[in-house]
Amino acid sequence: QVQLQESGPGLVKPSQTLSLTCTVSGGSISSGSYYWSWIRQPAGKGLEWIGRIYTSGSTNYNPSLKSRVTISVDTSKNQFSLKLTSVTAADTAVYYCARSSIAEDWFDPWGQGTLVTVSS
Amino acid sequence: QSVLTQPPSASGTPGQRVTISCSGSSSTIGRNYAYWYQQLPGTAPKLLMYKSNQRPSGVPDRFSGSKSGTSASLAISGLRSEDEADYYCATWDDSLSAWVFGGGTKLTVL
Repeated sequence: QVQLQESGPGLVKPSQTLSLTCTVSGGSISSGSYYWSWIRQPAGKGLEWIGRIYTSGSTNYNPSLKSRVTISVDTSKNQFSLKLTSVTAADTAVYYCARSSIAEDWFDPWGQGTLVTVSS
Repeated sequence: QSVLTQPPSASGTPGQRVTISCSGSSSTIGRNYAYWYQQLPGTAPKLLMYKSNQRPSGVPDRFSGSKSGTSASLAISGLRSEDEADYYCATWDDSLSAWVFGGGTKLTVL
């Protein structure tokens, strides 16, 4: 059974770059036709899809964040990563990673989430 | 403001039937399936309904989904206290080429 686990700094200064990693266990990140997504949720608010990377390496990003987001994959470590540049307090949120696929185009499973606070 | 519109709250007493709506557009629910996620307090969202009306294994048949035109609905019958959670609808937006979520509905079991 595939499991996802987010990791990274819990505190980032304004204007800096937020970097998170999602480690995939129980299966290979490069096998099958899967999308690996990042989704975030500010405290007390709803979910926002940030973007995804396909097994082949192609990416899709939320247009509202596209200019600041990069998602990449490291198959040797069975991980995929998120970089969000020029962060502000509005980027403070719980960040989740999740898997979907072409055949099963829904988010399942999800990681447990990691809180990132943007503050000086 | 979310691309998909949900009521911010819903409530019911144990045993009642509750419906949560999700309103979209021709580029969202009008062309694509709706998905529903349940988020219990302090936990990650969990898939509750896929392809508008399909339940993953393990989800009780008290939960049902439907879609009509540009809207989708989630119905919960025989309401139980453990159903108290936030519920989110989601779909692919063909115009944005992005996944979009509703703002979420907080369900309270009175």
